[in-house]
Amino acid sequence: EAQVTQNPRYLITVTGKKLTVTCSQNMNHEYMSWYRQDPGLGLRQIYYSMNVEVTDKGDVPEGYKVSRKEKRNFPLILESPSPNQTSLYFCASSSGRGYEQYFGPGTRLTVT
Amino acid sequence: KQEVTQIPAALSVPEGENLVLNCSFTDSAIYNLQWFRQDPGKGLTSLLLIQSSQREQTSGRLNASLDKSSGRSTLYIAASQPGDSATYLCAVPNTNAGKSTFGDGTTLTVKP
Repeated sequence: EAQVTQNPRYLITVTGKKLTVTCSQNMNHEYMSWYRQDPGLGLRQIYYSMNVEVTDKGDVPEGYKVSRKEKRNFPLILESPSPNQTSLYFCASSSGRGYEQYFGPGTRLTVT
Repeated sequence: KQEVTQIPAALSVPEGENLVLNCSFTDSAIYNLQWFRQDPGKGLTSLLLIQSSQREQTSGRLNASLDKSSGRSTLYIAASQPGDSATYLCAVPNTNAGKSTFGDGTTLTVKP
């Protein structure tokens, strides 16, 4: 089954403790993105990648890192999480420009 | 910078009614426009993708139209059902193809 998977689905952590949210897709897509969704602010793009080793900032990249060493994986790294990074995070992938985006199930992160 | 607006923010209709959701965008130089459905606390499910060269796209009871010149798209839902209750979002990839801008969504409630 074609899908985008994220892990973990739920995470509660403390300020400053580094964490990684994994994202993997099995559709051989070139484009991958990370979004965060917050009440009243909608979906905002954090980072995106148009190919292996090619990443770029979205609208809200501060406090996040990404890497794209393999085509199928696009992990999101929070080096020193803060409470304002409490949010619902989505990973997405697509074949490229002009093609559908497919979303993962989301990761609900709480930073205390 | 692309801005995407969805009106209304919320809509409540009785079952069986036909309805229209609106999506407006400020930069008409788009590759495509995608409509999504999101159930509470869940991921986004792709409904329809309209390429910039298309005027309409249909899937079952859903019909999406695109008017690039006026910066508008509509999602028409025929014979609404309680199971259609969800938040509907539209998304536009920016001219920098890796970036996407989402509207804030329209939350639809269909009452039995």
